[in-house]
Amino acid sequence: QVQLVESGGGVVQPGRSLRLSCGASGFTFSWNSMHWVRQAPGKGLEWVAVISSDGSNSYYADSVKGQFTISRDNSKSTLYLEMNSLRPEDTAVYYCATHSSGWSKFDYWGQGTLVTVSS
Amino acid sequence: QSALTQPASVSGSPGQSITISCTGTSSDVGGYNYVSWYQQHPGKAPKLMIYEVGNRPSGVSNRFSGSKSGNTASLTISGLQAEDEADYYCSSYTSSNTRLFGGGTKLTVL
Repeated sequence: QVQLVESGGGVVQPGRSLRLSCGASGFTFSWNSMHWVRQAPGKGLEWVAVISSDGSNSYYADSVKGQFTISRDNSKSTLYLEMNSLRPEDTAVYYCATHSSGWSKFDYWGQGTLVTVSS
Repeated sequence: QSALTQPASVSGSPGQSITISCTGTSSDVGGYNYVSWYQQHPGKAPKLMIYEVGNRPSGVSNRFSGSKSGNTASLTISGLQAEDEADYYCSSYTSSNTRLFGGGTKLTVL
């Protein structure tokens, strides 16, 4: 079955960087676009970024553009999110998500990894 | 990139029907049939309930249905059950190749 497992979260000081990973299994990773979605504590879902199946195209929410970079390694079935210049408002659970048939939806979600930006 | 607009809360009694609205613009909800709905219970990852406006994934109860008119999409839950109590989020593809979520609606089953 499809599994998405995020890792790399933790407590980080403001201004520092962090890289999240999402390991995928149970489907052909290289065929799927992949997304990051975050949820601040007690708040709603916020879409963060998407990367195409071959990694050639990526798009970002305005709130993270120029600050976050999404990437992937299809040989390792792993998705990444490089987060720079972190701010307290970036504190959230970060989910990776993808689709089954049809690219427009998020059928599969990981369990999320918590990033806390605090001094 | 403003979030799609959803009511903060809705409520209904068991057996009743409720509808949650999701309002966007012609650049997102109104421009594409790529609206999806997600259910999220506390501490859990979201679950896809409706995709492409009105399609149900396999395994989702037919008590859940979706529709769209203009820039507003809607999720209707009929025959409310206690386990339907959760947060619900709409999402739409946008003309910028990005995605937007709604602010979320807390459903309370009275």
